[in-house]
Amino acid sequence: GAGVSQSPSNKVTEKGKDVELRCDPISGHTALYWYRQSLGQGLEFLIYFQGNSAPDKSGLPSDRFSAERTGGSVSTLTIQRTQQEDSAVYLCASSLGAPGTSGRGGEQFFGPGTRLTVL
Amino acid sequence: KQEVTQIPAALSVPEGENLVLNCSFTDSAIYNLQWFRQDPGKGLTSLLLIQSSQREQTSGRLNASLDKSSGRSTLYIAASQPGDSATYLCVCTGGGNKLTFGTGTQLKVEL
Repeated sequence: GAGVSQSPSNKVTEKGKDVELRCDPISGHTALYWYRQSLGQGLEFLIYFQGNSAPDKSGLPSDRFSAERTGGSVSTLTIQRTQQEDSAVYLCASSLGAPGTSGRGGEQFFGPGTRLTVL
Repeated sequence: KQEVTQIPAALSVPEGENLVLNCSFTDSAIYNLQWFRQDPGKGLTSLLLIQSSQREQTSGRLNASLDKSSGRSTLYIAASQPGDSATYLCVCTGGGNKLTFGTGTQLKVEL
């Protein structure tokens, strides 16, 4: 597609429920990232996928969070047993290559985000 | 641990003014530095990416510079317009492809 897309754009759920957030990266981009941005806060790195390598999960805040990337394209971020502090905007980004790639291969392109509200 | 700070945190200027946004980073071992803008309720839009070997990049009214030795980058916006109002973020890519986001500068350009 022309850009990174995310769905849903908004999600309201009850505490304790599981949610799935979807990211469609730009076609051909090997790197995919998930971030979250809480109200009034900066971006918090969650997880990074690069090609077929094992993902960098160092940013996931708890074992309730998990993500997968199928076929090197679409990614799903799953939050189990949601808590109110999980409320945030979840942003996905992709880049042609790894972040440190020479030229513009490391340039990140962001999706519009999913606003998650946990009641 | 890389720390990226942006000063000022907020800035309000009249339309037409030239302005400079600052980004400081503590670890100079970076691969590149990228500037983004974020509009309320929306994702991030890439503005400029500077490789570690470069000193500056230009796009339209925007010019970004990089001084690795001093751990600083600046984003210069010429002839500011109300449409430039947004939050501006700088992001450093370091070893292990680790990305560190700055604290952001909220810019308002007034008519």
